[in-house]
Amino acid sequence: KQEVTQIPAALSVPEGENLVLNCSFTDSAIYNLQWFRQDPGKGLTSLLLIQSSQREQTSGRLNASLDKSSGRSTLYIAASQPGDSATYLCAVDTWGKLQFGAGTQVVVTP
Amino acid sequence: EAGVAQSPRYKIIEKRQSVAFWCNPISGHATLYWYQQILGQGPKLLIQFQNNGVVDDSQLPKDRFSAERLKGVDSTLKIQPAKLEDSAVYLCASSLTGVEGYTFGSGTRLTVV
Repeated sequence: KQEVTQIPAALSVPEGENLVLNCSFTDSAIYNLQWFRQDPGKGLTSLLLIQSSQREQTSGRLNASLDKSSGRSTLYIAASQPGDSATYLCAVDTWGKLQFGAGTQVVVTP
Repeated sequence: EAGVAQSPRYKIIEKRQSVAFWCNPISGHATLYWYQQILGQGPKLLIQFQNNGVVDDSQLPKDRFSAERLKGVDSTLKIQPAKLEDSAVYLCASSLTGVEGYTFGSGTRLTVV
């Protein structure tokens, strides 16, 4: 059974610092891994999708890496802004089913 | 392209009442999912449809939850009777093949009092 863990559970940084969010999973037989952002009381917004054959994906200030063999992914957010405050969820697609971590709650202080 | 549509956005009901949520996926997306997200946790899959057939409903509490996807397009999730522990955000998602990732709706926040 696939298990997804996100560390840390919460993170507070001053504006301008880089953010590093970690995700680990137990079963390396994945189709892809997707990072989502969730604002309070809202749905999920897809940030980055990494296929199992890829090592990383980049979009603007966001970069996500994937090491399938070790069961790890890292989301980097460069030069954080207060608008980056949200919960970030990692989800792994195993056999057509998306399994989520519990998320990392991020607060960026001005 | 239009996103995944869900309604209502919010719902407050008393325990033992019934409630229904509606989802319209992205046009052409064959696979539709319902997730339950309890506060502070990651979403948990309740049911997965492929067109109008159920692929996985192993985590759906079938004594009180039901879901259908008529004509392989939109879907309805129902809870009857509701319990206090059903308070959560109910998320609908769809995908074309899964390889291209999943798109989520804005969710329905259910509060059972």
